Amino acid sequence: AQTVTQSQPEMSVQEAETVTLSCTYDTSENNYYLFWYKQPPSRQMILVIRQEAYKQQNATENRFSVNFQKAAKSFSLKISDSQLGDTAMYFCASQTGNQFYFGTGTSLTVIP
Amino acid sequence: GAVVSQHPSWVICKSGTSVKIECRSLDFQATTMFWYRQFPKQSLMLMATSNEGSKATYEQGVEKDKFLINHASLTLSTLTVTSAHPEDSSFYICSATQSTGPDEKLFFGSGTQLSVL
Repeated sequence: AQTVTQSQPEMSVQEAETVTLSCTYDTSENNYYLFWYKQPPSRQMILVIRQEAYKQQNATENRFSVNFQKAAKSFSLKISDSQLGDTAMYFCASQTGNQFYFGTGTSLTVIP
Repeated sequence: GAVVSQHPSWVICKSGTSVKIECRSLDFQATTMFWYRQFPKQSLMLMATSNEGSKATYEQGVEKDKFLINHASLTLSTLTVTSAHPEDSSFYICSATQSTGPDEKLFFGSGTQLSVL
């Protein structure tokens, strides 16, 4: 089984600033995928960004980017120009086959 | 992205009754659907993995006779909480994979808040 660890239960950032959420994972698989999901107060889970483990290039989606360090099994999420709508729980997840593993989440608050 | 519809979004029931939650993939065929339970401010806890046309695979500690899962078609999976008790009160979320292979992604329903009185 894989494990996903998010060591920051809560974080806050000033609006328009940049914040980085940490995630580490443990797997013995060679082929896997990594994700960041956002869960706002509505509790709808939203896919933020996805990274294929076999790709060295870090994935980016507008203001969201990842720092994927495969050797260190680290997968951090950087949010640039933070907006109030970014306030949410963020879950890091890994996938092998049809098995998905989630971290415990980081609660991010964007301060006006 | 793909849409997963889940309903009801909120249900209150009396202790001892059964509640059915539906999860539908609206614009894609979902060969695999997942059911999660989430307690306040906690992560998602996988309850079971459901494949179309076969019995669901339950995680350790999840009572399969209490949480009945049916995945009768490629677009519909249902979770029935039988003889519900107050301790079953929780937020239940379904998800579905859009496809298999390199482009596989997981899409979530909007969740169901169950309150058992």
